[in-house]
Amino acid sequence: GNSVTQMEGPVTLSEEAFLTINCTYTATGYPSLFWYVQYPGEGLQLLLKATKADDKGSNKGFEATYRKETTSFHLEKGSVQVSDSAVYFCALRPRYNNNDMRFGAGTRLTVKP
Amino acid sequence: EAQVTQNPRYLITVTGKKLTVTCSQNMNHEYMSWYRQDPGLGLRQIYYSMNVEVTDKGDVPEGYKVSRKEKRNFPLILESPSPNQTSLYFCASTLGGVTDTQYFGPGTRLTVL
Repeated sequence: GNSVTQMEGPVTLSEEAFLTINCTYTATGYPSLFWYVQYPGEGLQLLLKATKADDKGSNKGFEATYRKETTSFHLEKGSVQVSDSAVYFCALRPRYNNNDMRFGAGTRLTVKP
Repeated sequence: EAQVTQNPRYLITVTGKKLTVTCSQNMNHEYMSWYRQDPGLGLRQIYYSMNVEVTDKGDVPEGYKVSRKEKRNFPLILESPSPNQTSLYFCASTLGGVTDTQYFGPGTRLTVL
């Protein structure tokens, strides 16, 4: 079946450090891939997405590239800020079933000043 | 403002006392879903709806009911809550295309004693 595996947290970084959160997926065909972010006390909101192989999604300094050959969609940011502290979820939606959205377990990021 | 609203945000109840969590969206989306979020498990889909009067089970439907009588509303019903339903619940909506973003409500934290 379809599934997402992401790096376990928590992750603690100092401000301006480089961030990578690993995400790999299992799916039939070419799913759409997403990163959602959940700030404390809030619902999830879309951070970025990519809909086909080699696409790069980007937003707010975060990037992730859809790698079909390694079935990965790792999230990166060159210089994190305290305001980036949140829980990050990798997710996929398969092409054949719009309702079958799958989420990873989430990675909690804490950025210290 | 485009949004998904949920009520209540917090609820403490006792085993067996029926409750309803409401969800409403103002984006005219056809697809709506309910998820529960548990530590280490990410988000798991409870039920989804593709349109008015069309609903189907997700991965963890046991102990829950839903209805979709109007396009904008998708309430989650727990007929006889049990402690294992203590969780954080999210409602979400989307237009429904494979690349479309899901919009999430702010969450309902439910505790069943």
